[in-house]
Amino acid sequence: KAGVTQTPRYLIKTRGQQVTLSCSPISGHRSVSWYQQTPGQGLQFLFEYFSETQRNKGNFPGRFSGRQFSNSRSEMNVSTLELGDSALYLCASSLAPGQRTNEQFFGPGTRLTVL
Amino acid sequence: DQQVKQNSPSLSVQEGRISILNCDYTNSMFDYFLWYKKYPAEGPTFLISISSIKDKNEDGRFTVFLNKSAKHLSLHIVPSQPGDSAVYFCAGGSQGNLIFGKGTKLSVKP
Repeated sequence: KAGVTQTPRYLIKTRGQQVTLSCSPISGHRSVSWYQQTPGQGLQFLFEYFSETQRNKGNFPGRFSGRQFSNSRSEMNVSTLELGDSALYLCASSLAPGQRTNEQFFGPGTRLTVL
Repeated sequence: DQQVKQNSPSLSVQEGRISILNCDYTNSMFDYFLWYKKYPAEGPTFLISISSIKDKNEDGRFTVFLNKSAKHLSLHIVPSQPGDSAVYFCAGGSQGNLIFGKGTKLSVKP
């Protein structure tokens, strides 16, 4: 069974640009969550999607948005990039939200560098 | 407001000895906790979990202890191996939502 895949793996952008990252969950998983990892801040929750609907959102500005497609694939978009957006963006999939032990399976991440 | 805290950014242990990674939480609504391990350039991988109704869960060399009254959990690795060197994240979960700590970097020296 293929794991969670994320594309691209590495990305370099300049301030003010926008970026779109893609995530394909494990087959059969319908819930996709996005996290931002920066040194010293750990994993910070961005948002979660289930059945094409945003179920939860973390404490990030509106420049960060996402969506989920009918095949459960998800994209996240960051507009008007800032230097502080440089981070590893991780996608995690799980069967469905609300499970008691909702183990999430992570992809390898997309390393975004904003110059 | 950090709901999950890992107060030690790093830990160094000799091979064969015990590694103890600690995690404190403030949210009483968490009904399960998970530990993830992360190597550089890879996504986190699930290690072990514990339900809030338990106080201990064991899986091979890994044991997680939960003290609900102290809102504290710990991960014990015995014996520690050089391949255990990684960043360990503790996470609290409720209704499918996970809140992660900032991680502890474990170095196991041969």
